[in-house]
Amino acid sequence: AQKITQTQPGMFVQEKEAVTLDCTYDTSDQSYGLFWYKQPSSGEMIFLIYQGSYDEQNATEGRYSLNFQKARKSANLVISASQLGDSAMYFCAMREMKTSYDKVIFGPGTSLSVIP
Amino acid sequence: NAGVTQTPKFQVLKTGQSMTLQCAQDMNHEYMSWYRQDPGMGLRLIHYSVGAGITDQGEVPNGYNVSRSTTEDFPLRLLSAAPSQTSVYFCASSYGLGEETQYFGPGTRLLVL
Repeated sequence: AQKITQTQPGMFVQEKEAVTLDCTYDTSDQSYGLFWYKQPSSGEMIFLIYQGSYDEQNATEGRYSLNFQKARKSANLVISASQLGDSAMYFCAMREMKTSYDKVIFGPGTSLSVIP
Repeated sequence: NAGVTQTPKFQVLKTGQSMTLQCAQDMNHEYMSWYRQDPGMGLRLIHYSVGAGITDQGEVPNGYNVSRSTTEDFPLRLLSAAPSQTSVYFCASSYGLGEETQYFGPGTRLLVL
């Protein structure tokens, strides 16, 4: 079963506008972590933001914020004031930690294009 | 710190050949993992390790072996390469559990003919 779902294969946003990238996850655990990574065309993976399952406040890092709705199992990334350099693939990931394993699973990604 | 390093950057193999993708980190991280990235499928976990001497399978382990004899190194072995293993391979590491984000290597592009 798909653990991480990103339903938007591709998105377009006008420069300086805000955009929301969707991510839903599936876990039966109470303790887990959610991450967002950016992969520009150059190929490197860049960490953007982290949300713990017990964190009561939504995480924010500069222009990035994570809209965490635990009951809905969603962890959407919001990018404010989009810039041309934001054009990239964006991956949502979840870390499940149990005594028997510790895995980080990625979603299929969303390609974001910022239009001047 | 060099961070996470991977060698080689590019490799072309013939079907049936074996090879080892190297991964090393100098941050004293306990957790290391290997992913493959294919178009439209994101990153899929191949194998991971929570410390020296401890490894476990991820989502797509078939055709790959790993070992972790030291904290620093986590090589990935392709036993008998197949065209289906053509992909970009990423190694990643993190200090431990919880909110520790993973640091990624630059990737290895592998083409199996």
